[in-house]
Amino acid sequence: DVKVTQSSRYLVKRTGEKVFLECVQDMDHENMFWYRQDPGLGLRLIYFSYDVKMKEKGDIPEGYSVSREKKERFSLILESASTNQTSMYLCASSSPHGGRNTEAFFGQGTRLTVV
Amino acid sequence: QQQVKQSPQSLIVQKGGIPIINCAYENTAFDYFPWYQQFPGKGPALLIAIRPDVSEKKEGRFTISFNKSAKQFSLHIMDSQPGDSATYFCAAVSTSGTYKYIFGTGTRLKVLA
Repeated sequence: DVKVTQSSRYLVKRTGEKVFLECVQDMDHENMFWYRQDPGLGLRLIYFSYDVKMKEKGDIPEGYSVSREKKERFSLILESASTNQTSMYLCASSSPHGGRNTEAFFGQGTRLTVV
Repeated sequence: QQQVKQSPQSLIVQKGGIPIINCAYENTAFDYFPWYQQFPGKGPALLIAIRPDVSEKKEGRFTISFNKSAKQFSLHIMDSQPGDSATYFCAAVSTSGTYKYIFGTGTRLKVLA
């Protein structure tokens, strides 16, 4: 069974803390994504990685950075957490090949609350 | 040009009804259009997808209609059931590039028993 695993389901952090959200996939996918999900705003892309050490900014990268040192792991970093970063964060992975393998697989999400 | 516009934001239908969710895009480089279904507390999961070389695709009770000239596509759920109550996202992907997924804003569907 294919899996994208996010390290935490729920996190509560204080304003100003540095926060790490971890994501691991076991499908040998080249592409990995971090999305933020907010009511009425859908899934907004924060960062995208298409290979180890390669990354591309999404629509809302401000206040975030990412790290991809190994193919299976993609980390989202909140450099200095703020209350407006309270949200559901979703990691996904996919393979850049045609056919069924184009499917993006999602993790279960991390609900982050910044107080 | 990278946006995917989705409507309505929410939808309530009676059991057996046919909810329709619509999406529109601008970028003609998009060539793969999946729909994702998300239940509360879960990540989205692929429901059905279409490529622009066909105008319709059916999988069980779910149908995608695709209008290439209008740059619009829609999801129809036949004989809807309370278990279909979920949030639905359309997406668009350009498979000639890095396969970056662009999602719509989501539709919260509630099917009444």
